[in-house]
Amino acid sequence: AQSVTQLDSQVPVFEEAPVELRCNYSSSVSVYLFWYVQYPNQGLQLLLKYLSGSTLVKGINGFEAEFNKSQTSFHLRKPSVHISDTAEYFCAVSDLDSGGSNYKLTFGKGTLLTVNP
Amino acid sequence: DGGITQSPKYLFRKEGQNVTLSCEQNLNHDAMYWYRQDPGQGLRLIYYSQIVNDFQKGDIAEGYSVSREKKESFPLTVTSAQKNPTAFYLCASSIRGGYTFGSGTRLTVV
Repeated sequence: AQSVTQLDSQVPVFEEAPVELRCNYSSSVSVYLFWYVQYPNQGLQLLLKYLSGSTLVKGINGFEAEFNKSQTSFHLRKPSVHISDTAEYFCAVSDLDSGGSNYKLTFGKGTLLTVNP
Repeated sequence: DGGITQSPKYLFRKEGQNVTLSCEQNLNHDAMYWYRQDPGQGLRLIYYSQIVNDFQKGDIAEGYSVSREKKESFPLTVTSAQKNPTAFYLCASSIRGGYTFGSGTRLTVV
């Protein structure tokens, strides 16, 4: 079964510092990759996604991620964070289920990014 | 505007009761999903459906049931067999690699 590992459960940083949130996945076949952000008591908002093409993906709010097929990684980066970036971030992978006909989305356990002044 | 509507936003259930969470979408998406979120656990898939009148169990289907009688609707019933139902529930829909999420229902057992 597909699995997604977010290597850090919490990442504290200071405002205007760079940040990297790490994500590895287990699948060896073609997948779609996503990063979502969640603010307290809200749903998930898509930051960016990789479906195909360029391995460097740019998203909203200044975030970007790089797909590395050989390392099965999809790390999220931002060169300078703001207080408003404080939230929980989820990496997710979409691929076919064991039946081979349905796509499903598997999530990591999340990384809580806390930006301090 | 198209989107996914989950209702209610907050729900309280007494032990031993069944409750149904609503999820409606007007995006014309074929696939719909239910996830459960617990602190530190991420989102875990309960059930998913690719077409009307068909659905599959996800990773934690025990104690839950769903129906897909209409393309727009995918209600989730939390039955009394679910021993620890207090959680945040998220509904999603998708088409061609794009997923859209509702704003969630927080269920609390009292």
